[in-house]
Amino acid sequence: QVQLQESGPGLVKPSQTLSLTCTVSGGSISSGSYYWSWIRQPAGKGLEWIGRIYTSGSTNYNPSLKSRVTISVDTSKNQFSLKLSSVTAADTAVYYCARGVEGIAVAGAMDVWGKGTTVTVSS
Amino acid sequence: DIVMTQTPLSLSVTPGQPASISCKSSQSLLHSDGKTYLYWYLQKPGQSPQLLIYEVSSRFSGVPDRFSGSGSGTDFTLKISRVEAEDVGVYYCMQGIHLPPTFGQGTKVEIK
Repeated sequence: QVQLQESGPGLVKPSQTLSLTCTVSGGSISSGSYYWSWIRQPAGKGLEWIGRIYTSGSTNYNPSLKSRVTISVDTSKNQFSLKLSSVTAADTAVYYCARGVEGIAVAGAMDVWGKGTTVTVSS
Repeated sequence: DIVMTQTPLSLSVTPGQPASISCKSSQSLLHSDGKTYLYWYLQKPGQSPQLLIYEVSSRFSGVPDRFSGSGSGTDFTLKISRVEAEDVGVYYCMQGIHLPPTFGQGTKVEIK
């Protein structure tokens, strides 16, 4: 079955850009009707949706992060990526990638999640 | 953004006993297609969230039938008919009718 795996630096300096990649295995990122999301969770806190991309390249971002977020997809590598610029300590969190079911709803159920990767923003 | 409010924030349950979690949204989650886009996730300790319930009451593949969801409009409930040790973790509701999708604060369920 489809599995997702996040990868990227675990430590990022303040003001720099956080870059993460999610690799999809067990199936093609382009098959089926899905969108591909990033969600984050500060330690001991709740979940925050960052944004998503369709394999067409269409994106939606959380307005709270929109000015700093870019999500892209590389279908040839079966990957999608997150870039978050001008990071501060408040961006320290576990970052998850997830697959969402495309449909009439603005956001269909996210049915497959990666294990998450911890990113710490510190000098 | 739609605000999702869960109660209680923590719950201690004796194995075999029922448990109930409430989730209220600041706006109706009823879509013009007649469906209501409310989801429930469980995040077990040290794991990523996993989908339990979609569209208020439909159990995701492999989810035991002791889990059930109900509600409409702005008020929703997740019930566990008989809590088992493996059900510990934090339960989140999430709305999918307006961008951005938003989650409740989470309800931590532990075993007595």
